[in-house]
Amino acid sequence: KQEVTQIPAALSVPEGENLVLNCSFTDSAIYNLQWFRQDPGKGLTSLLLIQSSQREQTSGRLNASLDKSSGRSTLYIAASQPGDSATYLCAVNMGPTGANNLFFGTGTRLTVIP
Amino acid sequence: DTEVTQTPKHLVMGMTNKKSLKCEQHMGHRAMYWYKQKAKKPPELMFVYSYEKLSINESVPSRFSPECPNSSLLNLHLHALQPEDSALYLCASSQHEEVGYNEQFFGPGTRLTVL
Repeated sequence: KQEVTQIPAALSVPEGENLVLNCSFTDSAIYNLQWFRQDPGKGLTSLLLIQSSQREQTSGRLNASLDKSSGRSTLYIAASQPGDSATYLCAVNMGPTGANNLFFGTGTRLTVIP
Repeated sequence: DTEVTQTPKHLVMGMTNKKSLKCEQHMGHRAMYWYKQKAKKPPELMFVYSYEKLSINESVPSRFSPECPNSSLLNLHLHALQPEDSALYLCASSQHEEVGYNEQFFGPGTRLTVL
């Protein structure tokens, strides 16, 4: 069964720093990988989706990379801002299996200190 | 319209009550999902509807009853819940659960408290 791990569980950085969040998965036969942001008590906002054939995706200050063979993805946040404070979840999609195919990591709780 | 909406935002109910959660999307997506999320945990899949038919039920107790009246609406009927069912209930949709671009879009959730 696919297992998704996110390290660190919590991260606190001063405003303006660049930072990297890590996501690792045990089964490399993934279809795609999605990064989400979740504010406390709120729903999930999709940030980036990387297809299995892609190496990276960029959106504004966010850059997500994927190394499928090694089972790793990173989310790079440039010039962090207090508004970036949230929990970041990665989710691995195993593709059309007819069963639950989206496996979530436990998240990294990010705090950006003004 | 790229939004998934959920009502109500908050719900408090007793263990003998019957209530319903509602979810709506107008993106033409044909797969819709219910997730349950406890505090500081990732979402857990409960149900998946594909083309308005239930395709996945992750061994959810019968006190949770999903319904998909049409391709835009998804309901979750609640009856005789337990306090441990208190959680954030999230709805999501995607184009289809068995095609390539399978990005899921989530609603804001309903915060449920069972007394």
